[in-house]
Amino acid sequence: GNSVTQMEGPVTLSEEAFLTINCTYTATGYPSLFWYVQYPGEGLQLLLKATKADDKGSNKGFEATYRKETTSFHLEKGSVQVSDSAVYFCALTQSYNFNKFYFGSGTKLNVKP
Amino acid sequence: DVKVTQSSRYLVKRTGEKVFLECVQDMDHENMFWYRQDPGLGLRLIYFSYDVKMKEKGDIPEGYSVSREKKERFSLILESASTNQTSMYLCASIPSSGSGMNEQFFGPGTRLTVL
Repeated sequence: GNSVTQMEGPVTLSEEAFLTINCTYTATGYPSLFWYVQYPGEGLQLLLKATKADDKGSNKGFEATYRKETTSFHLEKGSVQVSDSAVYFCALTQSYNFNKFYFGSGTKLNVKP
Repeated sequence: DVKVTQSSRYLVKRTGEKVFLECVQDMDHENMFWYRQDPGLGLRLIYFSYDVKMKEKGDIPEGYSVSREKKERFSLILESASTNQTSMYLCASIPSSGSGMNEQFFGPGTRLTVL
């Protein structure tokens, strides 16, 4: 079956620290992979995505590389800001059923000044 | 700017009440979804709709029903609210022309408390 596993949070970092949030997946074939972000009091919004192996998605200084050999899509940022404090969700979907999104449980990031 | 809106940000209801959560999207998307979000459980799909008057059960449909009378509007109904339905409810939409590349667009969420 299809599933997504994320590292448990919360993750607490100081401003300008390096961020990694791990995401691994189980899926058949070639799923599309996404990172969504949820700021306090808001809905989810797309942060970045990758649709095939070795693709790198990037946005707002965040990056994630689709690694098929390790079934991973880890989120990274070189220097976090207080404004990055949010909950991050990794997700996948399959082209044969794009109505079905599989979300991880979410990782809360707290960035301290 | 694309938009998914939800009728209420916060809602407090009593056990046994009938509750309606409304969602409207202005992107002409065919597919709409209702999720609930609970700490440690991520997002769980309640129902989705792929066309007007069409619906399919998601992973946790028990205690819920939905209505899609117009393409832009998707309603979630709690026939008789219970305390275990206290949660954050998120609506989302996506066009049907997707190939696995399309993102879901989310509303801001409704935090429902059932007393």
